[in-house]
Amino acid sequence: NAGVTQTPKFQVLKTGQSMTLQCAQDMNHEYMSWYRQDPGMGLRLIHYSVGAGITDQGEVPNGYNVSRSTTEDFPLRLLSAAPSQTSVYFCASSLDQGYYGYTFGSGTRLTVV
Amino acid sequence: DQQVKQNSPSLSVQEGRISILNCDYTNSMFDYFLWYKKYPAEGPTFLISISSIKDKNEDGRFTVFLNKSAKHLSLHIVPSQPGDSAVYFCAASATSTNAGKSTFGDGTTLTVKP
Repeated sequence: NAGVTQTPKFQVLKTGQSMTLQCAQDMNHEYMSWYRQDPGMGLRLIHYSVGAGITDQGEVPNGYNVSRSTTEDFPLRLLSAAPSQTSVYFCASSLDQGYYGYTFGSGTRLTVV
Repeated sequence: DQQVKQNSPSLSVQEGRISILNCDYTNSMFDYFLWYKKYPAEGPTFLISISSIKDKNEDGRFTVFLNKSAKHLSLHIVPSQPGDSAVYFCAASATSTNAGKSTFGDGTTLTVKP
């Protein structure tokens, strides 16, 4: 099925470890974004991309890196995990992020201990 | 400074009645407004959008109204069904000046009682 695929679905990290959350879409969307959702809060933008090779910071970029070498893939790297990064992470892609809205992945639930 | 606000954390309505979810924004550069629905343990799903040049957009049971002068939008669900019970997020984009960024509210949990 066409859509946004995130892996893994669940992850537990120790403080200081690094890891990469994977995101892939097969809809040829130019726009891709990473959001985090903390309990009782909305979605906060971490990083976003308007096309291959172009990325920019969102509201809460500290502690995260991204790259966009292809249209399909937009991995999010945690450099040195901290308990404050415990959250649910959503990757999303869009044709135009205006009228058509985002298609979201099912999320990665990350716990940092 | 939160640019998109949903001031009601929760809303409860009876099946068959109207649900009205509200959203306020502060950035006058926003030119698209969107509503998403989210079930537990799933990603948000896009519901409906409206351009800033319009004041109403309908899609089946869902209607979004935009009041630019008040910087306010609302989502009407008529009639409400138990399957509509979910968290609803409004979001806004300034596609002409800040392409690629969408700002979300904190969400409103809608409960539709049978």
